[in-house]
Amino acid sequence: KAGVTQTPRYLIKTRGQQVTLSCSPISGHRSVSWYQQTPGQGLQFLFEYFSETQRNKGNFPGRFSGRQFSNSRSEMNVSTLELGDSALYLCASSPGTASLYGYTFGSGTRLTVV
Amino acid sequence: SQKIEQNSEALNIQEGKTATLTCNYTNYSPAYLQWYRQDPGRGPVFLLLIRENEKEKRKERLKVTFDTTLKQSLFHITASQPADSATYLCALGGNAGNMLTFGGGTRLMVKP
Repeated sequence: KAGVTQTPRYLIKTRGQQVTLSCSPISGHRSVSWYQQTPGQGLQFLFEYFSETQRNKGNFPGRFSGRQFSNSRSEMNVSTLELGDSALYLCASSPGTASLYGYTFGSGTRLTVV
Repeated sequence: SQKIEQNSEALNIQEGKTATLTCNYTNYSPAYLQWYRQDPGRGPVFLLLIRENEKEKRKERLKVTFDTTLKQSLFHITASQPADSATYLCALGGNAGNMLTFGGGTRLMVKP
């Protein structure tokens, strides 16, 4: 079965612009989470959606937002990009609670802000 | 604040030996702990999950232990192979939704 698909794979944006990243979870997975990975901070939790509702949000500024659609596909948006937003953005899906199931991650979107 | 520590230095071992990776945490009472493998340029891959009431879990050549008193998890790869070379991440979770807190990862290098 298909894995978690993230598009685009690579993106170069200019400071001040905004960007939208897309994630298609594994079919049947209702939980979608987003993480930011940087060499300095490692993997940091952004937010989690379950059945179109945001259940948890990490410690990121309001410029970072997301949503989930009725087919479980998810998007995250970053407005007013800063150089420090350059990172690998990873989407992960799960069929249920992480206390029972591991995440399946996508290959990520590499965002470079110049 | 919550802190998860994994050895930031690379672990170099010889093929066939057992690799042991450590994950220590403070200011946290996780309900479960997960281990992932990550290769360069790829997303992490789930390996094992262990809950707070479990002491040990095994899967093929992998074994994970969870000591809530020591606030530590150990991850073992027996009969290691060069293909096991990767970065290994531990992640802790609580009871509030699917929110994992990841350690910084340990890079494992298995030499033939």
